[in-house]
Amino acid sequence: KAGVTQTPRYLIKTRGQQVTLSCSPISGHRSVSWYQQTPGQGLQFLFEYFSETQRNKGNFPGRFSGRQFSNSRSEMNVSTLELGDSALYLCASSPLQWGVWTSGQPPWYEQYFGPGTRLTVT
Amino acid sequence: GNSVTQMEGPVTLSEEAFLTINCTYTATGYPSLFWYVQYPGEGLQLLLKATKADDKGSNKGFEATYRKETTSFHLEKGSVQVSDSAVYFCARALMGSGYSTLTFGKGTMLLVSP
Repeated sequence: KAGVTQTPRYLIKTRGQQVTLSCSPISGHRSVSWYQQTPGQGLQFLFEYFSETQRNKGNFPGRFSGRQFSNSRSEMNVSTLELGDSALYLCASSPLQWGVWTSGQPPWYEQYFGPGTRLTVT
Repeated sequence: GNSVTQMEGPVTLSEEAFLTINCTYTATGYPSLFWYVQYPGEGLQLLLKATKADDKGSNKGFEATYRKETTSFHLEKGSVQVSDSAVYFCARALMGSGYSTLTFGKGTMLLVSP
């Protein structure tokens, strides 16, 4: 089974521009999460999508947005790029299905990470 | 709050040395705990996990025990190899979200020399 794929792998943009990154999850996975990795802040959660709906959101400004399509592929967009947006953006998919469990502790689902998109803002 | 603190690196060891990478977490509820590994140019891979207190996760010779009393989840390996050189991340999962939202430590780089 193919893993999580992210495109493009590398991207160079200038301040003020916008960028769109793409993530294709493992076949059958409907949950897709995005993380930003920087040397200073480490790995930080951006948002999670399931069935085209945003389920969780991290503490990032509104310039960061995302969406998910009916085939579970996801895109994230960053508008008005700043130098501090330079980072490795990681996407992860999991077989998690929201709403399946009815009570108690939800089951655990492993997240599978893609290789990331390295964004450099100049 | 929800946070994870792990020792800063890099950790430099000779092959066959004993490895410990410390990790502590804030005790909000009863999180599940994970260690992820990132090899150069690659995404993160799950190394091991523990979902409740006193659980021991293990994989590829690595072990970590979920210690509720000390809120710790230290990673250990008895004999490291050059191929273990990578960045290791300790993480916890938020409850009630299907463990889909991970909070990571800053990462610890491990360098193993022959």
